[in-house]
Amino acid sequence: QTVVTQEPSFSVSPGGTVTLTCGLSSGSVSTNYYPSWYQVTPGQPPRTLIYNTNIRSSGVPNRFSGSILGNKAALTIAGAQAEDECDYYCVLYMHPAIAVFGGGTKLTVL
Amino acid sequence: QVHLVQSGAEVKKPGASVKVSCKASGYNFNNFGITWVRQAPGQGLQWMGWINLYNGNKDYTQKFRGRVTMTADTSATTAYMELESLRSDDTAVYYCARDVRGDDPRFDNWGQGTLVTVSS
Repeated sequence: QTVVTQEPSFSVSPGGTVTLTCGLSSGSVSTNYYPSWYQVTPGQPPRTLIYNTNIRSSGVPNRFSGSILGNKAALTIAGAQAEDECDYYCVLYMHPAIAVFGGGTKLTVL
Repeated sequence: QVHLVQSGAEVKKPGASVKVSCKASGYNFNNFGITWVRQAPGQGLQWMGWINLYNGNKDYTQKFRGRVTMTADTSATTAYMELESLRSDDTAVYYCARDVRGDDPRFDNWGQGTLVTVSS
């Protein structure tokens, strides 16, 4: 069974730029997987950030952007802020109907 | 404005079943799907499956097939997720989300979550 992979943790300095990735245990991620990204803070439901690779959801600051980098989907945060410290999850659509979450990345801003 | 409001916290014994509801408002319920996601304590998000309210089709991830049933009452614009044969590792917060398919698939609005605790 194919697994969606993410870095377990990442660190960025305030104001810095960080790129989180979303890959496959077997194969390459392309736009055909319609990658999306969700932000999770403790005690809150997930927040939709990016969908269909690079479309920013309504109200999401433009410091968040999505792309395909090499064989992975990527979420870039440019000018990280303290409030960006939380967990980030990607979703890939493996089948027209089946969605799979990655394991999540815990982002620290310090 | 899209709103998804879930039922309250539940405490169940191992082997029992739980049924979580998700009341939708602010949009045409039949034009979208409802997806269900859970997060166990200290764990990541896990997609359980979805129900397509346009045609009634359902898809469940392999892990939950045979134990989960997703239904909807379109007249009440409410979706339901029932999980049977509960185990302690089913303790989690369960979320519903509006599921958009087509050219820009995404989960674009979320319920507040329902904590299900399985304990003897």
